[in-house]
Amino acid sequence: EPEVTQTPSHQVTQMGQEVILRCVPISNHLYFYWYRQILGQKVEFLVSFYNNEISEKSEIFDDQFSVERPDGSNFTLKIRSTKLEDSAMYFCATQKGVLQTQYFGPGTRLLVL
Amino acid sequence: SQKIEQNSEALNIQEGKTATLTCNYTNYSPAYLQWYRQDPGRGPVFLLLIRENEKEKRKERLKVTFDTTLKQSLFHITASQPADSATYLCALDGRYSSASKIIFGSGTRLSIRP
Repeated sequence: EPEVTQTPSHQVTQMGQEVILRCVPISNHLYFYWYRQILGQKVEFLVSFYNNEISEKSEIFDDQFSVERPDGSNFTLKIRSTKLEDSAMYFCATQKGVLQTQYFGPGTRLLVL
Repeated sequence: SQKIEQNSEALNIQEGKTATLTCNYTNYSPAYLQWYRQDPGRGPVFLLLIRENEKEKRKERLKVTFDTTLKQSLFHITASQPADSATYLCALDGRYSSASKIIFGSGTRLSIRP
């Protein structure tokens, strides 16, 4: 069964550094999402992406965050200048069509020191 | 503001019994509701989706009900097994748009004791 994959599985970075989290969606899926989960808290929506542009973003997704699909396959989340509070699990999710199930990747655990 | 509540933070039941988890929402009109399973350190895994015009849906030992009047969904696992122990997340989406975010509840941690 096709799966969403994410790399790296773990990332440790210093505060102020840039990080790029990568996701490979399921091949025929058209809608892409990033969510995050701070330890012990609920999964929170960050951004949705369709047709090479952002569809919706949350208040968490400020100017430090950006997303792109540079080569038509990978879907990336960039945090320009990480803060301590960015430490969380980041999940990519993809969806074949609107009102269909979103499938989640295994996540990237980001730790900002 | 939109609010989703999963009534129990944790539920502990005996193997073989039926586990029933509750999800309530307010200030929201979801197009559908989903239940996901999440194991520690892993991503949510989709279990069931029920649409606003459906009352009940089943999949093997799982059953979901959706009452849009009460603004509530119940999630049942029959003949529960220790392997069913996990956190179960209720998730709502209410937008018929080109892309739709999911809003998750905080989850119920289910433990099935042998």
